[in-house]
Amino acid sequence: EAGVVQSPRYKIIEKKQPVAFWCNPISGHNTLYWYLQNLGQGPELLIRYENEEAVDDSQLPKDRFSAERLKGVDSTLKIQPAELGDSAVYLCASSLSAGDRVGEQYFGPGTRLTVT
Amino acid sequence: QKEVEQNSGPLSVPEGAIASLNCTYSDRGSQSFFWYRQYSGKSPELIMFIYSNGDKEDGRFTAQLNKASQYVSLLIRDSQPSDSATYLCAVNQGWYSSASKIIFGSGTRLSIRP
Repeated sequence: EAGVVQSPRYKIIEKKQPVAFWCNPISGHNTLYWYLQNLGQGPELLIRYENEEAVDDSQLPKDRFSAERLKGVDSTLKIQPAELGDSAVYLCASSLSAGDRVGEQYFGPGTRLTVT
Repeated sequence: QKEVEQNSGPLSVPEGAIASLNCTYSDRGSQSFFWYRQYSGKSPELIMFIYSNGDKEDGRFTAQLNKASQYVSLLIRDSQPSDSATYLCAVNQGWYSSASKIIFGSGTRLSIRP
């Protein structure tokens, strides 16, 4: 079974430039998460999808971040414009939606973003 | 007060000994609890989950949950150098999918010395 796929793995951009990350979850996983992880910290949720619906985007900085999951499968996270403080690893994860299994998450390899 | 607290470590344990990792959480309504292992430069990997009070064993790993004390722990028996990693505690503050909110701790860095 294929795991969660993310691209790109690394991205270096100048501040004020746009950047986009792509994620394809495990087949059959209706719940998809985007997290941000800084060095020495745990993942911090940016947005959670149940199928196409964003059910928790309370931590997403909506002035510069946007996300979509149009067909309920793969998803894109965008930052425009990027700031120096956005440098971090962006993780995508997926899980089944059924009850308590929603916490059993499978992570992709992440995208390491460096903003210069 | 952080919602999920872990000692950042590093916790140094000799090879073959028992490593004990602890986690406390603030939301008394939390229903399910997870331990993830994260190697340096890699993404988190789920290793254990526990939903009921008591112990749950899986190979060399034992998760322990005490909801009254709002405390969850992970024991690693016969520690191996390959267990050296950061261990993240995660708490699900809701039960049903629509209400779930997964909060991660900052992780405890474990080092197994030969």
